[in-house]
Amino acid sequence: DVKVTQSSRYLVKRTGEKVFLECVQDMDHENMFWYRQDPGLGLRLIYFSYDVKMKEKGDIPEGYSVSREKKERFSLILESTSTNQTSMYLCASQGGNIQYFGAGTRLSVL
Amino acid sequence: GENVEQHPSTLSVQEGDSAVIKCTYSDSASNYFPWYKQELGKRPQLIIDIRSNVGEKKDQRIAVTLNKTAKHFSLHITETQPEDSAVYFCAASKDGNKLVFGAGTILRVKS
Repeated sequence: DVKVTQSSRYLVKRTGEKVFLECVQDMDHENMFWYRQDPGLGLRLIYFSYDVKMKEKGDIPEGYSVSREKKERFSLILESTSTNQTSMYLCASQGGNIQYFGAGTRLSVL
Repeated sequence: GENVEQHPSTLSVQEGDSAVIKCTYSDSASNYFPWYKQELGKRPQLIIDIRSNVGEKKDQRIAVTLNKTAKHFSLHITETQPEDSAVYFCAASKDGNKLVFGAGTILRVKS
């Protein structure tokens, strides 16, 4: 059974704080993705990675960075949070054409 | 870049009726079109997909149709049941990897 695990379900941070969101998959997938989900806007791609050490910008990369030091782990980094980064963050790992999503992290920035 | 529009944003149907959700895409190079279902509080999951060399695909009560000329594709759910209530997302891709999602449709099936 496919397993994509996100490190936190809920986070509350103050503006300017640094945030690490971690995602781990156990299927030896090469492709991993980070999305944010907002009502009425669907799922928007922040960054993706097709291999270790490799990263590509998605459609909304501003204010975010990523790290992929190991194949199973893809981290999203918010260097200095702002209130407009309050959102649900979803990680996905891809096998074949199917993207398997994590349970999501709901981040609130106050 | 690719842009995917999805309609309607909300849809209410009576149990047993059919539901249709429509999406249009802008990039004629897109060739892979999946649909994801997200139940309340849960993660999105793929329910059906179609490639550009196929016009229609069915899986039990769900079907997807694709019109490449018009650049639109639709999800059809027949004999809706309460467990079909969820948010449905369409997406388009040029390479089968990077997906561009629509804004989502909230489907409510009333019993």
